[in-house]
Amino acid sequence: TQLLEQSPQFLSIQEGENLTVYCNSSSVFSSLQWYRQEPGEGPVLLVTVVTGGEVKKLKRLTFQFGDARKDSSLHITAAQPGDTGLYLCAGVYAGGTSYGKLTFGQGTILTVHP
Amino acid sequence: NAGVMQNPRHLVRRRGQEARLRCSPMKGHSHVYWYRQLPEEGLKFMVYLQKENIIDESGMPKERFSAEFPKEGPSILRIQQVVRGDSAAYFCASSPSGQPQHFGDGTRLSIL
Repeated sequence: TQLLEQSPQFLSIQEGENLTVYCNSSSVFSSLQWYRQEPGEGPVLLVTVVTGGEVKKLKRLTFQFGDARKDSSLHITAAQPGDTGLYLCAGVYAGGTSYGKLTFGQGTILTVHP
Repeated sequence: NAGVMQNPRHLVRRRGQEARLRCSPMKGHSHVYWYRQLPEEGLKFMVYLQKENIIDESGMPKERFSAEFPKEGPSILRIQQVVRGDSAAYFCASSPSGQPQHFGDGTRLSIL
């Protein structure tokens, strides 16, 4: 079974602080996606990374894909209360039988206090 | 451009009844994935379909669960003879080519 380890599980910080969420696996991904999910709603896609070493920025969010395509990180600069939510990483493992199905990490519940 | 539409949003069934969950993919998307989110657990893949074909059902329970994506109409996830353990949020995602996947807001299934 391929596992995608996401950490930390919970993160409680003050407004203005920086934070990083990590996703790690022992297997190689063909692509990795980050989502944000609000209570009672479905995951909303933030970014997709496909190339080893790739860095993508979305306003105050920076996403990195590891050189070996086995890990990824999400860094938020100067967090705001509006960033509060559940962040999920999800990857498609390289290999002929993945068919694009996503394997999800356990999620990180972020709370940003004013 | 409408997103992925799932209905109903909430579904209550008694043990032994059937549950039918519907998913209309985004316009132009022919790939549909179903995922289940059990309480206190992460999202888990169930089944991947393209029009009229099941491509990968490796995440589906062997009994009582079935899925289809007909030529016309939405994709349907069907659970027969529901049990308490089927209570979960069921999410559908669609894609034009497999990636990336866009999710609907899910169906929350509660079994009495």
